[in-house]
Amino acid sequence: QVQLVQSGAEVKSPGASVRISCKASGYRFTDFAIHWVRQAPGQGLEWVGWTNPAIGDATYSQKFQGRVTFRSDTSATTVDMELSSLTFEDTATFYCTRDAKVVGASENWFEPWGQGTLVTVSS
Amino acid sequence: IQLTQSPSSLSASIGDRVTITCRASQTISTYLNWYQQKPRKAPRVLIYAASNLQSEIPSRFSGSGSGTEFNLTISSLQPEDFATYYCQQSYHVRTFGQGTKVEIK
Repeated sequence: QVQLVQSGAEVKSPGASVRISCKASGYRFTDFAIHWVRQAPGQGLEWVGWTNPAIGDATYSQKFQGRVTFRSDTSATTVDMELSSLTFEDTATFYCTRDAKVVGASENWFEPWGQGTLVTVSS
Repeated sequence: IQLTQSPSSLSASIGDRVTITCRASQTISTYLNWYQQKPRKAPRVLIYAASNLQSEIPSRFSGSGSGTEFNLTISSLQPEDFATYYCQQSYHVRTFGQGTKVEIK
């Protein structure tokens, strides 16, 4: 079945960087975009950006532009997200999720989702 | 594109009919999806493209609307429906509404 499995929880110091991995399985990896979503404790969902694994390009939310990078590995069917210059406000659960329809399709939605990775920024 | 949900929270009883509204800052046709999220769980899609019920989602959930105004309706609230609901647009990149928490009255 289609599945996204994320790497484990991270604890980082302010100013550091964090890298989270999202392993995809059960479908043709290069056919579907992968998105990342942030959720701070007790807060709503916030779109971080997306990547097309087939060509490795990415679009980032303005809020995270310059601080976030997505990298795809087609042989390992993984997408990594690296977030730099961490602050206490980056303490959150990060989810990877996939577009339900192939790249270029209209009216897309997110399905499935990874289990989430908690990033804690603490001094 | 900004999405504004109303209300931000509501209290309702089992069996009640509940409607949540999502308004977009510009027209988005029917590029609007609805998700349910329970504590410490990933969201799951309920409705896609404004009015299409995702497979395995109970028929008491329905969606309507187009352009800038959309509704999610739960026809008869069940105990497992107490959760937070989000709208999300895919017309231009992606954004989420701020969420609506449905609580037990």
